[in-house]
Amino acid sequence: AAGVIQSPRHLIKEKRETATLKCYPIPRHDTVYWYQQGPGQDPQFLISFYEKMQSDKGSIPDRFSAQQFSDYHSELNMSSLELGDSALYFCASRRTGGTQETQYFGPGTRLLVL
Amino acid sequence: DAKTTQPPSMDCAEGRAANLPCNHSTISGNEYVYWYRQIHSQGPQYIIHGLKNNETNEMASLIITEDRKSSTLILPHATLRDTAVYYCIVRVPNNAGNMLTFGGGTRLMVKP
Repeated sequence: AAGVIQSPRHLIKEKRETATLKCYPIPRHDTVYWYQQGPGQDPQFLISFYEKMQSDKGSIPDRFSAQQFSDYHSELNMSSLELGDSALYFCASRRTGGTQETQYFGPGTRLLVL
Repeated sequence: DAKTTQPPSMDCAEGRAANLPCNHSTISGNEYVYWYRQIHSQGPQYIIHGLKNNETNEMASLIITEDRKSSTLILPHATLRDTAVYYCIVRVPNNAGNMLTFGGGTRLMVKP
């Protein structure tokens, strides 16, 4: 079965640079979530989109922005990167109205800021 | 979402059943119990969920007490590949946002 695709899988950036992470949800899934997981921490919700509109916002820094496109893929844009942004970034997708209402996670993007 | 309490870590012998408890004494009537797990540095993986009846799928069984204040996830024959952090999350499906709140979890170590 198709899964959530994230790219790139690994990314190394310098401080103050920008980064763009991409997420391709499972086909026919209309909702995308972004989570950040720092070293030794639990995943933390950042932001979500439903039908290309932002549906909820968590602990996402103002330096970050995201959007969902017409083909339902999503991009997380990160500017003025800081050392503390080094983390795993997971995207998850969900199909609303499904019987399980569960989220399916991608493999993550590991971002290292030097 | 209701708060949950899980033991921070557990060990289990390979081939034996792993029973992971979760307390959710403040659960409300419309909240479901969800279980996810995260194998080291991989994306969290959905396991099972339930409201009040016991549930079983190809991965695990979920036993919810009659008062719904606690539950147990059962992996019937644990393998080394089941070593992971297991999260019990109580939430209302279809609520606004529907984000998952991960907290604590139980680090299960399956040993040969």
